[in-house]
Amino acid sequence: DQQVKQNSPSLSVQEGRISILNCDYTNSMFDYFLWYKKYPAEGPTFLISISSIKDKNEDGRFTVFLNKSAKHLSLHIVPSQPGDSAVYFCAASALQGAQKLVFGQGTRLTINP
Amino acid sequence: NAGVMQNPRHLVRRRGQEARLRCSPMKGHSHVYWYRQLPEEGLKFMVYLQKENIIDESGMPKERFSAEFPKEGPSILRIQQVVRGDSAAYFCASTVTSTANTGELFFGEGSRLTVL
Repeated sequence: DQQVKQNSPSLSVQEGRISILNCDYTNSMFDYFLWYKKYPAEGPTFLISISSIKDKNEDGRFTVFLNKSAKHLSLHIVPSQPGDSAVYFCAASALQGAQKLVFGQGTRLTINP
Repeated sequence: NAGVMQNPRHLVRRRGQEARLRCSPMKGHSHVYWYRQLPEEGLKFMVYLQKENIIDESGMPKERFSAEFPKEGPSILRIQQVVRGDSAAYFCASTVTSTANTGELFFGEGSRLTVL
């Protein structure tokens, strides 16, 4: 029962272009969504989040969009840089179990020079 | 300014042995979470602890797994009689408050358990 799905295991983007990572969820109780970035042999690090009362949140080169009716969110990185190459995890939480993040399987982003 | 510290980073055990993974949260953090990542999968919640209390262990397997966070010392995730399916990366995270909604869930670098 995969409540958070990242259907693209990998994505390759040219440096300077936009990277778009997608995430779908099934549980309508989720009301907070986060993106984490993970380098090999390291722990995930928080990148950006969005509450269900918003449809967009922006932080520098990173923007997260939330479409509640479609139960879909996306992370846009523009312009993409080589240091952005990592695995990106989408995660979600519900108010009742705020400490229990449900993660997607991850998307490996590779930025090509 | 140490982050979340986990040790050992790598642990190899034979089937039937015990594995103990340790986690020291960030300074000032009193809430600890353990997550497990199986190969090619996302992280899955296992347990949430505060000092001397298990708050939510709904993600823990019913047998062989236990966790504690004593008044003094690190949090321990203990796996008894390990099997090959326990091979995974185990991540500890800590927060200041009881909610992860603000995104302030700080992860350690993980402990990679390999069961032969």
